[in-house]
Amino acid sequence: SQQGEEDPQALSIQEGENATMNCSYKTSINNLQWYRQNSGRGLVHLILIRSNEREKHSGRLRVTLDTSKKSSSLLITASRAADTASYFCATLIEQGGSEKLVFGKGTKLTVNP
Amino acid sequence: GAGVSQSPSNKVTEKGKDVELRCDPISGHTALYWYRQSLGQGLEFLIYFQGNSAPDKSGLPSDRFSAERTGGSVSTLTIQRTQQEDSAVYLCASSFSRGGPYEQYFGPGTRLTVT
Repeated sequence: SQQGEEDPQALSIQEGENATMNCSYKTSINNLQWYRQNSGRGLVHLILIRSNEREKHSGRLRVTLDTSKKSSSLLITASRAADTASYFCATLIEQGGSEKLVFGKGTKLTVNP
Repeated sequence: GAGVSQSPSNKVTEKGKDVELRCDPISGHTALYWYRQSLGQGLEFLIYFQGNSAPDKSGLPSDRFSAERTGGSVSTLTIQRTQQEDSAVYLCASSFSRGGPYEQYFGPGTRLTVT
């Protein structure tokens, strides 16, 4: 079952603007990761934030994590047309000797040139 | 270095036939995962391998689905007697190990269409 829920489901902005995507989850997590997917194929890992971290930066990406609210946000600053893609949050669930990523439904971002 | 590779990239099959999907993980990655992405269900976890063993098969949708991994490397996902609802993109991922904050590296996926 899907744990993460992203909002918005779709976001359309102009080049140069910032894009903010949010994710909520339900259970305790080890870490939360954001992935990007172009054209419905392979996912590319963007950034990982551990459960004891509150904020992390990587280039134009900023991720925040609020474990008390079970939510995370991904901010892309100064967006470019090449940022157009679907973005997914995923929580790493470890239990009973197993681990797996549980994905949200994703935000489809369109950056207009 | 080489990333995760999957074959075939596209597969069209008739309902009722068996299909085999292959995943070559990144060399040295002990953990391997299969996921499925479909329009109605989003990205779903199917199975996790640590080495050659699969401690978690909980995501396999039915007993028509099976997977194996040999030599701690290549994995195959087999779907027997395919149904139209099996149509989806099947994604494989690998990571260095478990128990740490390791990212998963995904392959390009196999798009399966059951007619």
